[in-house]
Amino acid sequence: AQSVSQHNHHVILSEAASLELGCNYSYGGTVNLFWYVQYPGQHLQLLLKYFSGDPLVKGIKGFEAEFIKSKFSFNLRKPSVQWSDTAEYFCAVTAPNTGNQFYFGTGTSLTVIP
Amino acid sequence: DTGVSQDPRHKITKRGQNVTFRCDPISEHNRLYWYRQTLGQGPEFLTYFQNEAQLEKSRLLSDRFSAERPKGSFSTLEIQRTEQGDSAMYLCASSIQGSGNTIYFGEGSWLTVV
Repeated sequence: AQSVSQHNHHVILSEAASLELGCNYSYGGTVNLFWYVQYPGQHLQLLLKYFSGDPLVKGIKGFEAEFIKSKFSFNLRKPSVQWSDTAEYFCAVTAPNTGNQFYFGTGTSLTVIP
Repeated sequence: DTGVSQDPRHKITKRGQNVTFRCDPISEHNRLYWYRQTLGQGPEFLTYFQNEAQLEKSRLLSDRFSAERPKGSFSTLEIQRTEQGDSAMYLCASSIQGSGNTIYFGEGSWLTVV
């Protein structure tokens, strides 16, 4: 079975600081990678996704993520965070050859201090 | 609103009672997923349907849990003889069949077993 690891459980940043959240997965084949965000009191929403092509993908609200196949990583980045980015961030992976089931990491809670 | 809708949003029940949650997916989506999420954890896969067929079930889905999607549209998740350990957020998601297609989540149904 696949697994997804998010090593940062809780991150606290001041506004305008840069953000990088780690995500590693365990699966040797072709994967599709996602970052979802859950704002307080809201449902999970897609931030960005990688299927193929350019390993640097850009998502909504200034977020981007880079797929590094050799490191089995898909880290999320944002150059300058805002208070409104306070949320829970989940990395997820699917593999077309394993039924397309989505596997999620345990999440990273981001708190941005104004 | 044409997103995934779930009902009820919150349910408090006594241990031993049965509960049923309903999910209405995005209308053109033929895949429907149920996940469970507890505090501090990412969503855990329970089961998914392609049209009316239940294609995969997680080990988490004990025999007290049953899910149906009789006409390939809405789905129900029933938990019989609830236990305190069943307290969680039950998430429904839907997608269009295809390699790595994005899944879209509903707002979830909170279950508290007292």
